[in-house]
Amino acid sequence: AQSVAQPEDQVNVAEGNPLTVKCTYSVSGNPYLFWYVQYPNRGLQFLLKYITGDNLVKGSYGFEAEFNKSQTSFHLKKPSALVSDSALYFCAVRDMMGGNTPLVFGKGTRLSVIA
Amino acid sequence: GAVVSQHPSRVICKSGTSVKIECRSLDFQATTMFWYRQFPKQSLMLMATSNEGSKATYEQGVEKDKFLINHASLTLSTLTVTSAHPEDSSFYICSASFKGSYNEQFFGPGTRLTVL
Repeated sequence: AQSVAQPEDQVNVAEGNPLTVKCTYSVSGNPYLFWYVQYPNRGLQFLLKYITGDNLVKGSYGFEAEFNKSQTSFHLKKPSALVSDSALYFCAVRDMMGGNTPLVFGKGTRLSVIA
Repeated sequence: GAVVSQHPSRVICKSGTSVKIECRSLDFQATTMFWYRQFPKQSLMLMATSNEGSKATYEQGVEKDKFLINHASLTLSTLTVTSAHPEDSSFYICSASFKGSYNEQFFGPGTRLTVL
């Protein structure tokens, strides 16, 4: 079975500082990995994905994530946080061999960037 | 590309009434659509998966007779909450995928349902 763990409910960071939102996953085969962001009362916005290839994936709004197979992690990072980055972030995974099965989501991490 | 819309964005209804939520893929043919439910400050919980022209597959614990899902065409899926009760109040989000999208799901903006 697939699963995603986001160990932190909340991450606080000062504006201008680097940020990291952690994610680890478990799948039986090779993973497809995704990060989404959600603003209050809004749907999910796609940030980036890892399918294959380069372990460092660059996405929208200056975010990037690094796929680490040995640690089964896909942490989201940004070199310099903005107040507008404050939102709820979800990591999601599916097994590459899983056919058209749905994404499995982590519980979410609330990021708060303080001016 | 790959835009998904939902209608309505917000609905308030009385207990005992039925509410229909539409999910449309605007610029692609969605072979599969997914319905999620999200409680405040919680993650998305998958309710059901629907493939065009076939019956939806519901997750364990989701009442099929209460949450009716119809995927009548490659661009439209509907979720009907029948005989709604206050505990059905939630944020409902649909997503859609198509062949060749690396199984990526494209999400709608969500529908906030409030049952009085």
